[in-house]
Order: sequence, then C-alpha cells, then structure tokens
Amino acid sequence: AQSVTQLGSHVSVSEGALVLLRCNYSSSVPPYLFWYVQYPNQGLQLLLKYTTGATLVKGINGFEAEFKKSETSFHLTKPSAHMSDAAEYFCAVRGNYGQNFVFGPGTRLSVLP
Amino acid sequence: DARVTQTPRHKVTEMGQEVTMRCQPILGHNTVFWYRQTMMQGLELLAYFRNRAPLDDSGMPKDRFSAEMPDATLATLKIQPSEPRDSAVYFCASGPLGRDNNEQFFGPGTRLTVL
Repeated sequence: AQSVTQLGSHVSVSEGALVLLRCNYSSSVPPYLFWYVQYPNQGLQLLLKYTTGATLVKGINGFEAEFKKSETSFHLTKPSAHMSDAAEYFCAVRGNYGQNFVFGPGTRLSVLP
Repeated sequence: DARVTQTPRHKVTEMGQEVTMRCQPILGHNTVFWYRQTMMQGLELLAYFRNRAPLDDSGMPKDRFSAEMPDATLATLKIQPSEPRDSAVYFCASGPLGRDNNEQFFGPGTRLTVL
C-alpha cells in the first residue's frame, strides 16, 4: 500500500524567501514521485517528477525536489518565492508496476508581499 | 497543444436528478482517471481505466455512481440520483500507458453543485 503525507496544510512565506514544502511517502515498491500545482479554479499541473536516476529533480517555475530514499521524503523547494507561486501543491506517489496514483492532502502556499 | 477537456465546466442541479460528466482524454492516451476534490476529503480517486477497461473503481460509491468509456475518445461519469454530498469538483486525467510513461494530465474539472 502507498500513502503520502504533507506536513503543513498551509505555508506562508514572504516574497523572495525560500519555499520548502514537505512530502513523505510510504511505498512497498520502488516509487515514482510527483509534485503537482493547482491554481484557483484550475486542474492540477505537473511541476516535476522523479522516476529513476538523479535524485535531485528540477521542474518548472524554478522548483526542484530531492528524492531521499533513506528518509522516504521528496520535499519541494524554491530558492526565492514569487507572488505567482501562491497555489495549492500536491505530492503524489505511484508504484512502478502501474499502480494508481496516491495524492497527499495538499499544502496551500501563500506568498506575502 | 493537446489537453484533456471536460464538460460541463459547471453544473448546478437539484437532489435526485441525474448528472453526466464527460471527459475527452488526450489523443493516444489509454489510461483515464476520475477524481473528486472536496475541501474535507481532498483529492480522491474514483475510477481508473486502462485501454477502456475499468481497473479500479473501488473509490466510487457503486449504488449511485457509474463510469464508462464508450470509446477511446470519451469517458463518462454519471451520478443517479445525485445528492447534496456529491457537490465537489470532479477531475478527469489521462496518461499514456507504459513503464516509463507515468504522468497524468488533468482536465480543468467540472464543478458540481447539488441543491
């Protein structure tokens, strides 16, 4: 069975500050890991994904995430927050045998001027 | 560019009425997912199709919900009869099949309000 936890349902940062959104997962098989972003009244959009290879993954809009197997984590970071980053962020896991996607509860990011 | 489309975008109906939501997956994608999103429950998987066959619909209330893929270009989600607790945003997503093709692409959603 797979599960995803996201620490902090709401995170606030100042514009220009570091963004850190936490994701921990459990999976009985080697996982594929994803971060999605959802802007108001829109569907989810893929930010980045980890499948195999390099554990530091770069995505769109300056975001990146690092897969740490020993910590079962896939935290999302961005060095400098922008107002346009305000959105809801979802971490998801999928086993590499075609299992369903399992999404975390989401973290709402607010960026303060 | 290729996108998942969903119709209608908004639907307001009265309790007891039938609701049909439609999804057109991206051409060539052969996996389709239906999700429901609410404030209380977050994003829940309702159904998962591969090559038009339902693989997992364990998240779907069977007594009132049904999901089908009449053909490769159309997926439908029906609720009959609808209830106020069904009010939510329903997302369809599609993805290509294959070990290395593991993304899913989301549609814009159908916002359903059942009065």
